[in-house]
Amino acid sequence: EIVLTQSPGTLSLSPGERATLSCRASQSVGNNYLAWFQQKPGQAPRLLIYDASSRATGIPDRFSGSGSGTDFTLTISRLEPEDFAVYYCHQYVTSPLTFGGGTKVEIK
Amino acid sequence: QVQLVESGGGVVRPGGSLRLSCAASGFTFSSSGLHWVRQAPGKGLEWVALIRFDGINKFYADSVKGRFAISRDISKNTLYLQMDSLRTEDTALYYCAKSSGWLIGHWGQGILVTVSS
Repeated sequence: EIVLTQSPGTLSLSPGERATLSCRASQSVGNNYLAWFQQKPGQAPRLLIYDASSRATGIPDRFSGSGSGTDFTLTISRLEPEDFAVYYCHQYVTSPLTFGGGTKVEIK
Repeated sequence: QVQLVESGGGVVRPGGSLRLSCAASGFTFSSSGLHWVRQAPGKGLEWVALIRFDGINKFYADSVKGRFAISRDISKNTLYLQMDSLRTEDTALYYCAKSSGWLIGHWGQGILVTVSS
């Protein structure tokens, strides 16, 4: 099983600041089949990034993904008020599919 | 557009059974893979099961293997999750989600399952 470890657990930032979220895999994620989801309270998760760096349909370009192998990063270039949420990384290269524990981005 | 609507949740005693349904629309159901993903109250996401586009290949998390069964009815555009031998740790919001390859794309709004005596 590929274990995904996200850091930090919580990120306290102000609107307009840059957010950098990390996801480390216990083994290489083949084909960079790594996705990022955003979840707001009371809502289902929303796909932001797939294949490590491709933005999903309708996702603003302030969201970007990078990385390969075992180390991946989600960057939000300038935080908007609606970006404060929990973010999960997810590998879909092999079963069992797994998620990271999440990073909460909160308003400072 | 893609719509996924879960139903069938509720309260069940430990050891009991429940069947979840997910009514799908807005895409070609017969050629799409579908997942179940759950989220315990206040916790993170846990993948549960996947049925591939062929309806034959199925995959499960170790935590539910042998107790849960994923299936689909193409004539009804409906996905199912049969849950047997339920445990308190199965208490969660259960989401169905549409797959593109193995990638989870669109999600339903979820249905709550509570396992309690």
